[in-house]
Amino acid sequence: QQQVKQSPQSLIVQKGGISIINCAYENTAFDYFPWYQQFPGKGPALLIAIRPDVSEKKEGRFTISFNKSAKQFSLHIMDSQPGDSATYFCAPTIGGQGAQKLVFGQGTRLTINP
Amino acid sequence: EAGVAQSPRYKIIEKRQSVAFWCNPISGHATLYWYQQILGQGPKLLIQFQNNGVVDDSQLPKDRFSAERLKGVDSTLKIQPAKLEDSAVYLCASSLAVRSDSPLHFGNGTRLTVT
Repeated sequence: QQQVKQSPQSLIVQKGGISIINCAYENTAFDYFPWYQQFPGKGPALLIAIRPDVSEKKEGRFTISFNKSAKQFSLHIMDSQPGDSATYFCAPTIGGQGAQKLVFGQGTRLTINP
Repeated sequence: EAGVAQSPRYKIIEKRQSVAFWCNPISGHATLYWYQQILGQGPKLLIQFQNNGVVDDSQLPKDRFSAERLKGVDSTLKIQPAKLEDSAVYLCASSLAVRSDSPLHFGNGTRLTVT
C-alpha cells in the first residue's frame, strides 16, 4: 500500500543536458511530494517539493511535475551540471495524526559528465 | 543554524557486540527520527519521537534495537547484539513540526560495519 517505485536506478547525462527521474506511488493518502538530494558521506537534504493541488513547481533549474491521476511525480534538472552528481530520492509523505511519515524510494544515482 | 550532529562518524564492531549512536537535533525541533540506510537503498525509518515520546517504532527490531530521547532533546540508538545485516549508515533527522511540509534535516550519519 505504501510502495514507492523510483526509476531509473542510475542515470548518466552530459553537462548541459536534462536529467529526468520518476517516482510512482500507490497510496493515495500521500499529501506532500518531496525530492531529497544526497551527496556521498552526507545525509539527504530537501531539494524541492510539491503539494498535490499543483501540477508543476519550478525552482531555478529544478522542476517537479505531478500527475495525481497517474500517481506519479518526476524531477527534471535543466542544464545539468557536474555539481548535480548525487543520489536523488523521492519521499512521498503522509502528515497528521501526530506523525509525519516519509516513504523513501530506492534512489537514483545521477552522474553528470563534464 | 547548527545542523543535526551525530557521533561517532564510523564504527566497526564484531557480531554479537553492542554499539550506541548519539544524535543532537536542531535546537527547537520537537520531532526526531532514526533511519537505517543500507548501501544502495533509500533510508528506512526505525523510530520517530515527538519530544520524548515515541510516535512510530513499527519498523524497529525491538529484540535488538532500542532508542531513547531523554528530556526531549538528544537521542541515543543502541544495537545489542549486532548482526552482520545491521551494517548500514544510521541517520538521525529532525523536523520543526509533524506537518507533511515540514522538511527533515538530516545529520551526516554513523557508518556501522559489523564483521
